[in-house]
Amino acid sequence: ETGVTQSPTHLIKTRGQQVTLRCSSQSGHNTVSWYQQALGQGPQFIFQYYREEENGRGNFPPRFSGLQFPNYSSELNVNALELDDSALYLCASSSWGQGSQPQHFGDGTRLSIL
Amino acid sequence: QKEVEQNSGPLSVPEGAIASLNCTYSDRVSQSFFWYRQYSGKSPELIMSIYSNGDKEDGRFTAQLNKASQYVSLLIRDSQPSDSATYLCAVEVRFGAGTRLTVKP
Repeated sequence: ETGVTQSPTHLIKTRGQQVTLRCSSQSGHNTVSWYQQALGQGPQFIFQYYREEENGRGNFPPRFSGLQFPNYSSELNVNALELDDSALYLCASSSWGQGSQPQHFGDGTRLSIL
Repeated sequence: QKEVEQNSGPLSVPEGAIASLNCTYSDRVSQSFFWYRQYSGKSPELIMSIYSNGDKEDGRFTAQLNKASQYVSLLIRDSQPSDSATYLCAVEVRFGAGTRLTVKP
């Protein structure tokens, strides 16, 4: 069974730039969620994708956008980066069912904004 | 009001004791509840899921759910130093801030 993989592991950007983070879901999973985790905080829900469509969104501005591909992999795009965007970005995959299902997390991408 | 609130901790218990972690949530229609454990520098890993009122036991872990009180808890019996981690309560896809648990030998 292949777990959730994320790339890159670390990334350094400057304010105003754009970034794309990638995630491959665990085999057998068709739903992907993205989270932002600041140091010492719990993961904050950004959005979830199912069948290539956004299926729920947290309190994040439109400059946070995503995609899901037919193989269930996903991308998180962030435009006009701000210093506060510095965080660990976690991708989690799950199967689809009635109500939320247990999620399996990748190791995350550490994004630093200078 | 935060959607998912956890007792802020940190919580410290001696080895062999029971650790009790608590969580309240605001959305009454929530159906799915989870506890995750996150070691420092690692990603969250699922410990328990619970969907119905009452208790659910898995080894040394017991999750308790009370939908009327909008309350979820996790008990860890016979706590071990290896249980030292941050415990995250999740309601649907929303997470609390986590409670840091330290188990002292």
